[in-house]
Amino acid sequence: AQSVSQHNHHVILSEAASLELGCNYSYGGTVNLFWYVQYPGQHLQLLLKYFSGDPLVKGIKGFEAEFIKSKFSFNLRKPSVQWSDTAEYFCAVSSYTGGFKTIFGAGTRLFVKA
Amino acid sequence: SQTIHQWPATLVQPVGSPLSLECTVEGTSNPNLYWYRQAAGRGLQLLFYSIGIGQISSEVPQNLSASRPQDRQFILSSKKLLLSDSGFYLCALQAGTNTEAFFGQGTRLTVV
Repeated sequence: AQSVSQHNHHVILSEAASLELGCNYSYGGTVNLFWYVQYPGQHLQLLLKYFSGDPLVKGIKGFEAEFIKSKFSFNLRKPSVQWSDTAEYFCAVSSYTGGFKTIFGAGTRLFVKA
Repeated sequence: SQTIHQWPATLVQPVGSPLSLECTVEGTSNPNLYWYRQAAGRGLQLLFYSIGIGQISSEVPQNLSASRPQDRQFILSSKKLLLSDSGFYLCALQAGTNTEAFFGQGTRLTVV
């Protein structure tokens, strides 16, 4: 069955530190990949997405993610985090398995210390 | 532009009572529609998805059911709520194969 794994459930960083959040999925077919963010008290927002083409995807607010097909991974990165990046981050995968559906990982809570 | 209307925002229901949460969408035709439940530390659990009117797929066995009586309407129901049904329920739409999911504001359900 299709699944998405996020390696870290909680991450604490200081401002200006670099961020990398891991995401692996289990599905051998064609997939679309996403990272969503949920700021405290707000609804889910799309950070970035990958459908095809350049495996290095740039999103909003300085985030980027790299799709490595051989590793079934789609890790999220940001060179220098800010206090305002404190949020929960979700990796998601869509695939056509008799009905296009989107599966989410368990999420990673990021806390950035000022 | 696509819009998702989900109501109510919060709901407190006694154990054993019925449930009906409604989600309607605008700005798109024949979308894929989803019901997710969000729980702390468990991310978004996919409960149901629908690729068209009357077509419902259930992802997990549970006390809930879903229906899609119209193209832009998706309903989450229960005949008798359990305490374990408490949670934050999100409706989402996906307009096509190579698109992202858009989410409603969610309903916080507390079963007492």
